[in-house]
Amino acid sequence: DVKVTQSSRYLVKRTGEKVFLECVQDMDHENMFWYRQDPGLGLRLIYFSYDVKMKEKGDIPEGYSVSREKKERFSLILESASTNQTSMYLCASSSHLGGAGANVLTFGAGSRLTVL
Amino acid sequence: DQQVKQNSPSLSVQEGRISILNCDYTNSMFDYFLWYKKYPAEGPTFLISISSIKDKNEDGRFTVFLNKSAKHLSLHIVPSQPGDSAVYFCAASVTSGTYKYIFGTGTRLKVLA
Repeated sequence: DVKVTQSSRYLVKRTGEKVFLECVQDMDHENMFWYRQDPGLGLRLIYFSYDVKMKEKGDIPEGYSVSREKKERFSLILESASTNQTSMYLCASSSHLGGAGANVLTFGAGSRLTVL
Repeated sequence: DQQVKQNSPSLSVQEGRISILNCDYTNSMFDYFLWYKKYPAEGPTFLISISSIKDKNEDGRFTVFLNKSAKHLSLHIVPSQPGDSAVYFCAASVTSGTYKYIFGTGTRLKVLA
């Protein structure tokens, strides 16, 4: 069973803190993604990666960075958290190499971040 | 610029009836579409997909229709059940491109018992 695990379900941080959100997938997927979900705005893509050490900006990368040192792990970093980064953060993975389930995003359970 | 639009923020349907959720897109290069269901405080779960070479795909109670000329897709749920109450997102991708999906803003479906 495909599994995407996000390390923290709920976090509360203060403005200016550095925040790490970790995501691990166990299906050897090439692609990994970070989205944030906000009411009325849907899911917006922050960053994605299609290979180890590769990263691409999504639609809203400002204020975020990412790291993918290993294929199974994709980290989202908020260098200096701000209140407008309070959101639900969703990690996903996919494979583009064909076979059953190809091109389908599998999501983790989400990390609810509150920045005070 | 919102490339994928779900113009109905919410929808209420009686149990047993059909639910129709709509999605419009602007980029004619999109060739693969997904529907997801999301409950509060959980990650989205995949429901059904459709490739642009098809105009219909069916899986149990869920059917997705694609009208390429209108750049429109719809998800039909028949019969609707109270457990279907959730937020539904459509997503679109160019599979020969960068593997990323663009999501709509979601439609909250409420199935009334």
